[in-house]
Amino acid sequence: DIQLTQSPYSLSASVGDRVTITCRASQSVRIYLNWYQQKPGKAPNLLIYGTSSLQRGVPSRFSGSGSGTDFTLTISTLQPEDFATYYCQQSYSTPNTFGQGTNLEIK
Amino acid sequence: EVQLLESGGDLVQPGGSLRLSCVGSGFIFSNYAMSWVRQAPGKGLEWVSAIAGTSETTYYADSVKGRFTIYRDNSENTVFLQMNNLRVEDTAIYYCAKEGLIVGKSQFDYWGQGTLVTVSS
Repeated sequence: DIQLTQSPYSLSASVGDRVTITCRASQSVRIYLNWYQQKPGKAPNLLIYGTSSLQRGVPSRFSGSGSGTDFTLTISTLQPEDFATYYCQQSYSTPNTFGQGTNLEIK
Repeated sequence: EVQLLESGGDLVQPGGSLRLSCVGSGFIFSNYAMSWVRQAPGKGLEWVSAIAGTSETTYYADSVKGRFTIYRDNSENTVFLQMNNLRVEDTAIYYCAKEGLIVGKSQFDYWGQGTLVTVSS
């Protein structure tokens, strides 16, 4: 199975900050890397698919990059509604594993 | 508008069985693979199982293989998860999620609201 390791595990930031979350795969997943946002009590919401494609309706302050084993999710200017938990997920092979999550908190 | 609605979650004793259902609408159901993803209380996301649009291919996580069965009824736009021999560690919110055209090879672009399964004596 492909393991995904996110860093940091937890992050404190302020509104207006630029934030980067990384996801490292235990082997290459090519560009089959996706990002989700989850708020408490809600289902996950797809943000980025195929490493860098923005899901319809997602604000352009979210962006993704990388390839192979190293990927990043960047939020250019944090908004109050962005404080949530973020997960990466690989769709290169089954089982489609998730990272452990990154909890983004208000500083 | 794409919608997914799960049902069937309940409190069940260890060793018991439960069947979850997920009804999809707003898209051509038979064209798309579907998955179940679970989340234990306070924990992260765990993919559980996936099924191709025409049911020819199914996948399972090792943690549920031999105990859970995924299947679908495209005439009813419904995907099911039959869960047998349930364990305490199966306690979680179970989400169904819509995939792309190829099972196991795409993102989960729509999710249901989840249904809670609690396994406890």
